Amino acid sequence: DAGITQSPRHKVTETGTPVTLRCHQTENHRYMYWYRQDPGHGLRLIHYSYGVKDTDKGEVSDGYSVSRSKTEDFLLTLESATSSQTSVYFCAISEPGLAGGRTQYFGPGTRLLVL
Amino acid sequence: TQLLEQSPQFLSIQEGENLTVYCNSSSVFSSLQWYRQEPGEGPVLLVTVVTGGEVKKLKRLTFQFGDARKDSSLHITAAQPGDTGLYLCAGDYGTASKLTFGTGTRLQVTL
Repeated sequence: DAGITQSPRHKVTETGTPVTLRCHQTENHRYMYWYRQDPGHGLRLIHYSYGVKDTDKGEVSDGYSVSRSKTEDFLLTLESATSSQTSVYFCAISEPGLAGGRTQYFGPGTRLLVL
Repeated sequence: TQLLEQSPQFLSIQEGENLTVYCNSSSVFSSLQWYRQEPGEGPVLLVTVVTGGEVKKLKRLTFQFGDARKDSSLHITAAQPGDTGLYLCAGDYGTASKLTFGTGTRLQVTL
């Protein structure tokens, strides 16, 4: 358990409304990530952060923005939600692995339905 | 964009059978990780392999990293219903600790 929580865990919203998902970690990890998981696509990286106010785009960043004003919180915002953004969203942190490389640990996920 | 191909996509077997899941790429990984995910939960790390040719065992699970560090396999011996889940491989290409995930293998083990 890497001390990662996500909120909300479930959300139903309407097309065109803004939505913000929160990822909170308690162990001072530098790297944080947002993924979405859809059938047939596995996990795809949306945005990631390598420190406070340091963020960068992943492979599916269109329609999403992020902010990291504190080490412990990484926010994902859908400025104007669309039905194609219906998905399960996972937050992750990474830390050096015992065997080398870096290991990612995931939060429990947020299930988002855009009607 | 690096691609990770995982096969098979689905596998339904009976308890006691053996199986192998494959993860392949045209790119070289600095490390490769295997995760298992159960419904409603996030992926949980099973193993990380770093060295080409490396073999790691975790009880009935055997993980192998190809000599060229472009492919990996997961072999399960005498599968049990508790092995049921989604198995994901993920390659670390060494840039900002980002991972690229395969599309996953959904395994169902029945009695």
